[in-house]
Amino acid sequence: DAGVIQSPRHEVTEMGQEVTLRCKPISGHDYLFWYRQTMMRGLELLIYFNNNVPIDDSGMPEDRFSAKMPNASFSTLKIQPSEPRDSAVYFCANSNLLPSGRVGPGELFFGEGSRLTVL
Amino acid sequence: GQQLNQSPQSMFIQEGEDVSMNCTSSSIFNTWLWYKQDPGEGPVLLIALYKAGELTSNGRLTAQFGITRKDSFLNISASIPSDVGIYFCAGQKYGNKLVFGAGTILRVKS
Repeated sequence: DAGVIQSPRHEVTEMGQEVTLRCKPISGHDYLFWYRQTMMRGLELLIYFNNNVPIDDSGMPEDRFSAKMPNASFSTLKIQPSEPRDSAVYFCANSNLLPSGRVGPGELFFGEGSRLTVL
Repeated sequence: GQQLNQSPQSMFIQEGEDVSMNCTSSSIFNTWLWYKQDPGEGPVLLIALYKAGELTSNGRLTAQFGITRKDSFLNISASIPSDVGIYFCAGQKYGNKLVFGAGTILRVKS
């Protein structure tokens, strides 16, 4: 298995432009998460999906951010319009259920991240 | 909201030394996880702990799930240069999302 695949690895854009980050999850993993990592705030959960359905988007900073998961093998995180404070590394992560007898997402497997710089 | 206090913030140690870091919380967690992040990469799972008091090893790494379920520690024995990176703890309650600590930056002098 190739693991979680994210693209692009690096993106530099200008303020006001639309940014689309992509994620191809691990086949058969039911949960997909979008995280943002910055020096100041560490790893922040933005949104997560279970079986392609958004479960919790309380971490999405504002309406400029949106995420979709049209099918089990693809997800996008879009920022429109982008601002310099959106500069960060964005990670997609997958998990399956916890070991039997428990509920909820289990161990996370992260992609390599997309480093976004907004000038 | 839930918070994890991870310490130390950073460590600069001599190759061959043992390393110890820990995570504490005011909340009870049902799962504790430890991750390592290399520069330019995503975090990689090192050890997962599912039961209070559980002690689990992975090579030179040993982690324990605190008996109160409010803490966990990670030990690395006989550190080597490739241990350099950021180590994160993460806690989870059943059915809830993971909460991450702020990370411990480990540097190793060879």
